[in-house]
Amino acid sequence: DTAVSQTPKYLVTQMGNDKSIKCEQNLGHDTMYWYKQDSKKFLKIMFSYNNKELIINETVPNRFSPKSPDKAHLNLHINSLELGDSAVYFCASSQEPGYNSPLHFGNGTRLTVT
Amino acid sequence: GQQLNQSPQSMFIQEGEDVSMNCTSSSIFNTWLWYKQDPGEGPVLLIALYKAGELTSNGRLTAQFGITRKDSFLNISASIPSDVGIYFCAGHVQGGSEKLVFGKGTKLTVNP
Repeated sequence: DTAVSQTPKYLVTQMGNDKSIKCEQNLGHDTMYWYKQDSKKFLKIMFSYNNKELIINETVPNRFSPKSPDKAHLNLHINSLELGDSAVYFCASSQEPGYNSPLHFGNGTRLTVT
Repeated sequence: GQQLNQSPQSMFIQEGEDVSMNCTSSSIFNTWLWYKQDPGEGPVLLIALYKAGELTSNGRLTAQFGITRKDSFLNISASIPSDVGIYFCAGHVQGGSEKLVFGKGTKLTVNP
């Protein structure tokens, strides 16, 4: 069973569209994250939720809106997509927030905006 | 600041050679983690370090949490072709938020 699964794996869309990426974890973790990996492979945190509550919100455009219906799911909705949004988006989870809980990552969603 | 300086950026080695990579920062870290990312997949945790001076092994991999708490290294002994990938250091900054910050990665190529 996949521990952290995200869908879709690939997403190609045009500028201006709205799209969503879904993430589910079956590890029983309380905390989930969205990371963005750019073309140079740099990983940067976007959001973190603990038990459905937002705890980390980096300087991300308002066009990005995460939603956590329950602690096993964290979705990412992106409005009015721009070329610069093209990247690989990784979902991750950890037992709890903070430094005693390593992150477990999904396999990523490669978003291409044309 | 919270930036992690990871080096080298890339390495090209022959199968059987040992590899060493490291991360440094001007900030003090509470944890150091090492991840490996294969193409088309997410980063996978290799080793987690929680105490200054801690030395931990995972098979052919060995990592240490620097005594100053500002650095860490990862060694891979007797490299094999499947060691190919991008290795990331990551850590939690002392007194910072709970976010995990990442280095820029070391791309390892192993020639058979």
